[in-house]
Amino acid sequence: DTEVTQTPKHLVMGMTNKKSLKCEQHMGHRAMYWYKQKAKKPPELMFVYSYEKLSINESVPSRFSPECPNSSLLNLHLHALQPEDSALYLCASSQELGNYNQPQHFGDGTRLSIL
Amino acid sequence: QKEVEQDPGPLSVPEGAIVSLNCTYSNSAFQYFMWYRQYSRKGPELLMYTYSSGNKEDGRFTAQVDKSSKYISLFIRDSQPSDSATYLCAMYRGAGNQFYFGTGTSLTVIP
Repeated sequence: DTEVTQTPKHLVMGMTNKKSLKCEQHMGHRAMYWYKQKAKKPPELMFVYSYEKLSINESVPSRFSPECPNSSLLNLHLHALQPEDSALYLCASSQELGNYNQPQHFGDGTRLSIL
Repeated sequence: QKEVEQDPGPLSVPEGAIVSLNCTYSNSAFQYFMWYRQYSRKGPELLMYTYSSGNKEDGRFTAQVDKSSKYISLFIRDSQPSDSATYLCAMYRGAGNQFYFGTGTSLTVIP
């Protein structure tokens, strides 16, 4: 079992819906990440939080809105998504951003389907 | 040219075979190298993490880094059907916080 927990595991939503993805880790990590992964492709970085502050936004459309309420939780709020946004959304954490001695640990992802 | 190149496969081997998975990279600033295993419908699972050139062994897995050739490898000995997955190499650059993935190699171990 992974130490990064993501909920829900699956989500189907219409283009006008609003939903949120959740991620939780209790390893004391201070850097948390959102990735998007399409089938047979590597994960693509979306956002990075460091000490609960947004550190990196990889030019992600505003229909994706991240939030880090505390050091253990990371949310991704979704609104007015497009069919091409259907993918596996992965959360990851690492000890600290820029601490190259510590790799990232991933959750099992939320499989999102947009109707 | 991509920062990290990895043959996507698919690679199919008989049970018990030695598997060799490889990545090349273009930027000599990469210093930290990882191998992740990803089963279908799961997140990437960290297998090996190395910093320096040379070999690192963990059970049936050996990670090899050759910085002079900008080449990393993962060897799996006595491969098992449970090793069937996609293997992703990943690396950090010395500057900046970007984490680069290879495209992944799909491996099937046939009983």
